[in-house]
Amino acid sequence: ETGVTQSPTHLIKTRGQQVTLRCSSQSGHNTVSWYQQALGQGPQFIFQYYREEENGRGNFPPRFSGLQFPNYSSELNVNALELDDSALYLCASRTGTVGEAFFGQGTRLTVV
Amino acid sequence: SQQGEEDPQALSIQEGENATMNCSYKTSINNLQWYRQNSGRGLVHLILIRSNEREKHSGRLRVTLDTSKKSSSLLITASRAADTASYFCATAPRSNDYKLSFGAGTTVTVRA
Repeated sequence: ETGVTQSPTHLIKTRGQQVTLRCSSQSGHNTVSWYQQALGQGPQFIFQYYREEENGRGNFPPRFSGLQFPNYSSELNVNALELDDSALYLCASRTGTVGEAFFGQGTRLTVV
Repeated sequence: SQQGEEDPQALSIQEGENATMNCSYKTSINNLQWYRQNSGRGLVHLILIRSNEREKHSGRLRVTLDTSKKSSSLLITASRAADTASYFCATAPRSNDYKLSFGAGTTVTVRA
């Protein structure tokens, strides 16, 4: 049990739609990162938020966006969904910007 | 792109045996972390080793780091059925140490 919760656990969307995934971090964890994990692959870094500001981004297009709130919750928004967006989306929180990350159980997104 | 590469891709061992997996990476790092993932769910942090450390132990886990060869190994001793999972190494590069880069993982199956 990492104290990081994600919702929903599973989601099916249609190509072209928009989706919002949510993450609730541990109290005191002011950094949250989001990762995309395709089947059979390792997680790929999408972006990181520190004290409600994006402070790092991976190789993902602008239709992937996020928000972090003062209550240690965060969102990942994906616009104009594509079939290749089907994956497990993981959020991870930590104190500060480096070190051990605590992962949630993930949201399995299927785009049809 | 994935910075770390685990080897082997898959490993099947008998309960009680030791399991060893390796990770190679490409750029200079601040630290290297190992995570476990059960059945496509969230990742669980196992151990973090800093770039100035050569070996670290945690329970039945032993991690080594050779920065000159840009490689690390994870040894699980006296394996149990509950160790069946995918294991990932994640590197925190010096240039962007907030951005964890994961390999594709090693899938370990422990047979009873």
